[in-house]
Amino acid sequence: DTAVSQTPKYLVTQMGNDKSIKCEQNLGHDTMYWYKQDSKKFLKIMFSYNNKELIINETVPNRFSPKSPDKAHLNLHINSLELGDSAVYFCASSARPSGGRDIQYFGAGTRLSVL
Amino acid sequence: RKEVEQDPGPFNVPEGATVAFNCTYSNSASQSFFWYRQDCRKEPKLLMSVYSSGNEDGRFTAQLNRASQYISLLIRDSKLSDSATYLCVVNRGGSYIPTFGRGTSLIVHP
Repeated sequence: DTAVSQTPKYLVTQMGNDKSIKCEQNLGHDTMYWYKQDSKKFLKIMFSYNNKELIINETVPNRFSPKSPDKAHLNLHINSLELGDSAVYFCASSARPSGGRDIQYFGAGTRLSVL
Repeated sequence: RKEVEQDPGPFNVPEGATVAFNCTYSNSASQSFFWYRQDCRKEPKLLMSVYSSGNEDGRFTAQLNRASQYISLLIRDSKLSDSATYLCVVNRGGSYIPTFGRGTSLIVHP
């Protein structure tokens, strides 16, 4: 069983379209994240939800809207896609143990190409 | 100064070599430190946490130097399968927010 699964694995779309990426974790974690890894391989946190509540929003454009229907799911909807949105998007989850030693478990990534 | 800085490499070493990577961080209040490994076109996976006293896991040794604000990863007896990108991760001071370095690429050749 995959611990953190995200779909689709590949997404090719035209500029201006709206698309969604889904993520589910079966680890029982309370916290989920979305990261973006650009062509230079720089992995940057976008959002974090703890028990369905948004706790981190790293100055991401409003076109990106995360939604967490329950603590096991965190979906990412992107409106009006732009060329610069092309990247690999990773979902992750963590258990948030006390002391801040917060280990991230990543999904396999969604490769988004905007044409 | 970037929050977390790493030499991108690549480090090109023969099998059996010892190789070391450093990572510097800017926030002196940071409390949690990790090394992750990312294979080509795969997701990052935890390699090891970094503890204040330093820690070892088989051929891998991690060290933390708070005074100079850097962490290091030493790999002994490199294997071909160690070829990957090694990501330094530092939690922002006083928070759980992880900041990833750009990664250091390691290529181990026969």
